[in-house]
Amino acid sequence: DTAVSQTPKYLVTQMGNDKSIKCEQNLGHDTMYWYKQDSKKFLKIMFSYNNKELIINETVPNRFSPKSPDKAHLNLHINSLELGDSAVYFCASSLGQGAQGGELFFGEGSRLTVL
Amino acid sequence: SQQGEEDPQALSIQEGENATMNCSYKTSINNLQWYRQNSGRGLVHLILIRSNEREKHSGRLRVTLDTSKKSSSLLITASRAADTASYFCATDNYGQNFVFGPGTRLSVLP
Repeated sequence: DTAVSQTPKYLVTQMGNDKSIKCEQNLGHDTMYWYKQDSKKFLKIMFSYNNKELIINETVPNRFSPKSPDKAHLNLHINSLELGDSAVYFCASSLGQGAQGGELFFGEGSRLTVL
Repeated sequence: SQQGEEDPQALSIQEGENATMNCSYKTSINNLQWYRQNSGRGLVHLILIRSNEREKHSGRLRVTLDTSKKSSSLLITASRAADTASYFCATDNYGQNFVFGPGTRLSVLP
């Protein structure tokens, strides 16, 4: 069974479109994250949710809106896509928040290409 | 700026050799983690070392932590072609979210 699964794996879309990425974890973790990995492999946190509540929002444009319907799911909706949004987006989860939360479990990534 | 910085950016070695990667960070931490990322895949946790620990082993992996120098190293002994991947260190940002360095790309040649 996949621990952290995200869909779709690939998205190719035009500038200005809206797209969503879904993430689910079956580990019973309380905390979930969205990370963005750019073409140079830099991995930067975007959002963190703990038990459905937003904990971290790292100055991400308003076009990005996360939504956590329950603690096992964290989705990411992106409006008005721009060329610079092209990246690989990773969902991750951990037992708890911050340093005491232990290791992060990552999904396989969703590669977004904006044309 | 990134909390952790790995060094070197890229490393190429022969199978059977040891590979050493370093990570430097800027602020106080509670713990430091190392992750591996195979091409086109997600990150996989390798090892966590707490701030009060100096060394930790897991199979062919050895991690050291020097909090006075704010640095850590990851040693992979007797490397194999399957170890080819990018390796990242992650440090907790004042106990909050984990911040990743830019990674070291390791190539193990058969």
